[in-house]
Amino acid sequence: DAKTTQPTSMDCAEGRAANLPCNHSTISGNEYVYWYRQIHSQGPQYIIHGLKNNETNEMASLIITEDRKSSTLILPHATLRDTAVYYCIVRVANNAGNMLTFGGGTRLMVKP
Amino acid sequence: EAQVTQNPRYLITVTGKKLTVTCSQNMNHEYMSWYRQDPGLGLRQIYYSMNVEVTDKGDVPEGYKVSRKEKRNFPLILESPSPNQTSLYFCASTKGYGSPLHFGNGTRLTVT
Repeated sequence: DAKTTQPTSMDCAEGRAANLPCNHSTISGNEYVYWYRQIHSQGPQYIIHGLKNNETNEMASLIITEDRKSSTLILPHATLRDTAVYYCIVRVANNAGNMLTFGGGTRLMVKP
Repeated sequence: EAQVTQNPRYLITVTGKKLTVTCSQNMNHEYMSWYRQDPGLGLRQIYYSMNVEVTDKGDVPEGYKVSRKEKRNFPLILESPSPNQTSLYFCASTKGYGSPLHFGNGTRLTVT
């Protein structure tokens, strides 16, 4: 699986959009981009994933650049409960059982 | 409710005393895996299973055993725990092929 690079930490004002970037310059054509978050020491929570098209669900939007070398997770209206560590991961679609490398992630602090 | 259930949530034990951490999922997922999370090292995969009676080593399998006798259960066994196995453990499952991982709420293990 390709390696990802994320900023160590970010702040966001409550109610504003939080834009979390991720670089994955070595991504392969069959690798998806996944985003998870971990609140305190709870189990990581799936947010969204995509291959090359932008995706949106009830939690967030995922914008993937045309060359697929980077992506941005957007939380449109951040709340205090969105304070968490956000992980960007790239993995092959059929690699369901094999290693999933989370890395350090971005610690997002949503402030009132 | 679809979920991955781990037990116990907290466990303190002594070196050499065999223990089992249970994991159960109610989503009929074929793929299950175990991770440990340590400060500065992120989440590392211990073992994974792609189906009943099919298991394989992850990144850090030493000192651990698993079994997959039924689709829903994937227990993690520490035959002779040591202090370096003190960690936060997560079980996860997925239906595979591009589907996201669902994580349990974790088991915090302390070995003295």
